Amino acid sequence: DADVTQTPRNRITKTGKRIMLECSQTKGHDRMYWYRQDPGLGLRLIYYSFDVKDINKGEISDGYSVSRQAQAKFSLSLESAIPNQTALYFCATRRAGGETQYFGPGTRLLVL
Amino acid sequence: DQQVKQNSPSLSVQEGRISILNCDYTNSMFDYFLWYKKYPAEGPTFLISISSIKDKNEDGRFTVFLNKSAKHLSLHIVPSQPGDSAVYFCAAYGSGNTGKLIFGQGTTLQVKP
Repeated sequence: DADVTQTPRNRITKTGKRIMLECSQTKGHDRMYWYRQDPGLGLRLIYYSFDVKDINKGEISDGYSVSRQAQAKFSLSLESAIPNQTALYFCATRRAGGETQYFGPGTRLLVL
Repeated sequence: DQQVKQNSPSLSVQEGRISILNCDYTNSMFDYFLWYKKYPAEGPTFLISISSIKDKNEDGRFTVFLNKSAKHLSLHIVPSQPGDSAVYFCAAYGSGNTGKLIFGQGTTLQVKP
């Protein structure tokens, strides 16, 4: 069973639509992260959370919002999707005090 | 500005030979470095890491070297196998405990049988 799961795995939406990407983990980690990957740019941090009450912006948070519904769940929302948000989105988790981040399988998002 | 750079977008090596993937960084405050491997349609998976207090870390076929004065690290894979064909990302943590990883652009490794 996967430790970090993401739904949906693929999504096509239209400009202006609101969409939510979901991440769940069974690793018991308190820290969770959302990244996006674009060709030639590697992964860039959107938001991160140290616990349910702690949400922080990453380097590219504009146009996104997040919700940490529980320790195991961290959702990313695009309030009004635009074509340049077309990308691969990854969720990751990390244990407090640990160095390794564990990634989900990713969501491929296409905004038309 | 790209604080972690992988200047080679791709690398092709023959099975059994050594693969060397390179990574440069600009911020001398980075204190921990990781390499991730990514197959298509999967998330990145952790491969190996190194603390800034070390200059080498080895795990089986994989060795990471850190040259702090040059702000350069490299990943050596010996011997290379076709299953190693993937995209490799280097990443760095800054100081403090924010857990914010800064990634390089990635290098696509192809190991030919």
